[in-house]
Amino acid sequence: KAGVTQTPRYLIKTRGQQVTLSCSPISGHRSVSWYQQTPGQGLQFLFEYFSETQRNKGNFPGRFSGRQFSNSRSEMNVSTLELGDSALYLCASTKTGANVLTFGAGSRLTVL
Amino acid sequence: GESVGLHLPTLSVQEGDNSIINCAYSNSASDYFIWYKQESGKGPQFIIDIRSNMDKRQGQRVTVLLNKTVKHLSLQIAATQPGDSAVYFCAVAAGGTSYGKLTFGQGTILTVHP
Repeated sequence: KAGVTQTPRYLIKTRGQQVTLSCSPISGHRSVSWYQQTPGQGLQFLFEYFSETQRNKGNFPGRFSGRQFSNSRSEMNVSTLELGDSALYLCASTKTGANVLTFGAGSRLTVL
Repeated sequence: GESVGLHLPTLSVQEGDNSIINCAYSNSASDYFIWYKQESGKGPQFIIDIRSNMDKRQGQRVTVLLNKTVKHLSLQIAATQPGDSAVYFCAVAAGGTSYGKLTFGQGTILTVHP
């Protein structure tokens, strides 16, 4: 059974650019959550989607956005990149009625 | 707001020893607690979870203890092996919220020496 797949795994951008990260959840999982992981702040919740609707949102500026498609795949976008956006962005999925989040390996973003 | 913290940022043990990793949380409404393990280059991997109506839960070589009175959570790993070397995170879901939204502790680095 395939796990949570995130693409791209690594990317480098410059300040002011925008980036889109993709997440394919485990088959049958309809809930997708996104987290940002940095050495200074640790793992921080970005947002959660279920059935194409944002169910929860973390305390991040409006430059961070996301969406979910009808096949449960999700994307997150960061616009006007700042140096501090350099991080590992993790996607996790869970199936309806279950509690455990299964994480992908993450997309490592470096902003120069 | 919710905050979750760890008492020790690093833990170094010998192979075969038992390891204990601690975590404190602040929201008394928290009702679901999870331990994750993260190895280098990988995403967090689920280890064990516990609900607030329990105070102990055991898995394979791991035990989670929950003390709601002092808002403290611990992970015990028996007969620690070099493959257990990783960063361990506790995470908390507050009551009434979706379980997709977790508050993570800062992590403890566990190093197991052969």
